[in-house]
Amino acid sequence: DGGITQSPKYLFRKEGQNVTLSCEQNLNHDAMYWYRQDPGQGLRLIYYSQIVNDFQKGDIAEGYSVSREKKESFPLTVTSAQKNPTAFYLCASSIAGTSRTQYFGPGTRLLVL
Amino acid sequence: GEDVEQSLFLSVREGDSSVINCTYTDSSSTYLYWYKQEPGAGLQLLTYIFSNMDMKQDQRLTVLLNKKDKHLSLRIADTQTGDSAIYFCAENEEYGGATNKLIFGTGTLLAVQP
Repeated sequence: DGGITQSPKYLFRKEGQNVTLSCEQNLNHDAMYWYRQDPGQGLRLIYYSQIVNDFQKGDIAEGYSVSREKKESFPLTVTSAQKNPTAFYLCASSIAGTSRTQYFGPGTRLLVL
Repeated sequence: GEDVEQSLFLSVREGDSSVINCTYTDSSSTYLYWYKQEPGAGLQLLTYIFSNMDMKQDQRLTVLLNKKDKHLSLRIADTQTGDSAIYFCAENEEYGGATNKLIFGTGTLLAVQP
C-alpha cells in the first residue's frame, strides 16, 4: 500500500528536551511538508522540502529543525527553543512543482509534561 | 498575507444537504481544495477544483466556485452521520516558480444529527 506514515502517534516531551517526529512516504513524491495544527485553527506550515538535501522555512519555523537526506523521509525535530510545542503535527507530500495536490499522514500529537 | 475564512460550525440532520462555505483572497490560486479531518486523524483529500471551472461534481459532493467573489462552497448531498468531521478549505499559493504552499482555513465542524 502506498501512503504516508507518521510515528509515534503520541509523543511526550519534557522541559528542555528535543524530540523528533518521523515522517515516511512510499509514494515516490519529491516534495514533503510539515504542518502544525492547534485547536480551532487551520494548519500552519513549518518547513517544506522540494528535493533531497534541500528544505525551506515555512511560516512558523522558529524552534524547529528538519533534514531531508532521503527522498522518502522528512523528520522534524522540535527543539527546546520551541516554547509552546503542544500541538498536532501533520506531514504531507506531493509531486514536485506548482499546484500539486498534497496528501497527508495520520499525524503525531505532541504533549509537554 | 493570504487568508482563507470559513464558518466554524454547521449542524444538519441526517439525509439533508450540507453546504460549507469558504472565502479566499488570492486571486492567482490555480487550485482550491476541500479536505476532511475525522477526530484524531490526518487530513483526507475530498476533492479539488481548478480555478477556471465553476463547478465540479463527484458522487455526493458538489463544489461551486465563484471566482469573482472569491467564494468556494462544498455541498454534501444526503448527509450521513459518517460525514461528521472538520472540513478544511485550502488554496494554493505559488512562489519561486516551483513552490507550492497551501493556505488553510480554520475548518468547519460539521455535526450530523441522526
